[in-house]
Amino acid sequence: DVKVTQSSRYLVKRTGEKVFLECVQDMDHENMFWYRQDPGLGLRLIYFSYDVKMKEKGDIPEGYSVSREKKERFSLILESASTNQTSMYLCASRQKSLGVETQYFGPGTRLLVL
Amino acid sequence: GNSVTQMEGPVTLSEEAFLTINCTYTATGYPSLFWYVQYPGEGLQLLLKATKADDKGSNKGFEATYRKETTSFHLEKGSVQVSDSAVYFCALTPPGRRALTFGSGTRLQVQP
Repeated sequence: DVKVTQSSRYLVKRTGEKVFLECVQDMDHENMFWYRQDPGLGLRLIYFSYDVKMKEKGDIPEGYSVSREKKERFSLILESASTNQTSMYLCASRQKSLGVETQYFGPGTRLLVL
Repeated sequence: GNSVTQMEGPVTLSEEAFLTINCTYTATGYPSLFWYVQYPGEGLQLLLKATKADDKGSNKGFEATYRKETTSFHLEKGSVQVSDSAVYFCALTPPGRRALTFGSGTRLQVQP
């Protein structure tokens, strides 16, 4: 069965802390994505990675960075957390193609920055 | 640019009622269109998709038809159940792109 897991379901951090969100997929997918979900805004793309060590900015990359050292793992990093980064973060993966392969989502990490 | 517009929620229906959730889009070229569903406490799951004009996607009693002339992809179900209560997202992928562009989501509440 397809599986995308995220390291935490809930996180509470303080302003200025460095925060790591981890995502692991077991489907050998080349493409991985980080989105944030906010009420009334739907999901917005932060970064995606089309292969190991490859990354591309999404629509809202400011304040975030990413790391993809292994195919199965894609990390989102908040270098210095701020209160406006309080949100639900969703990771997804899909096979390498420009076709319409499905994206598979993890359960999400709800981050609160105080 | 690319964008997706969904009707505002929440939509509250009684069990066995007919459901329509409107979705319209703006995109370059011929995008692929999707409906994703998010049940409480879970991530998103693909519900259905359509890749070209006049295609009909269907799954679990839900249907949506890709209408190029009206740039729409409305979600319908003939008889909803309490277990259909969730947030529904319309999304698109333009040709040559990997990432999805999402609408804002529509919460559906089905009462017994």
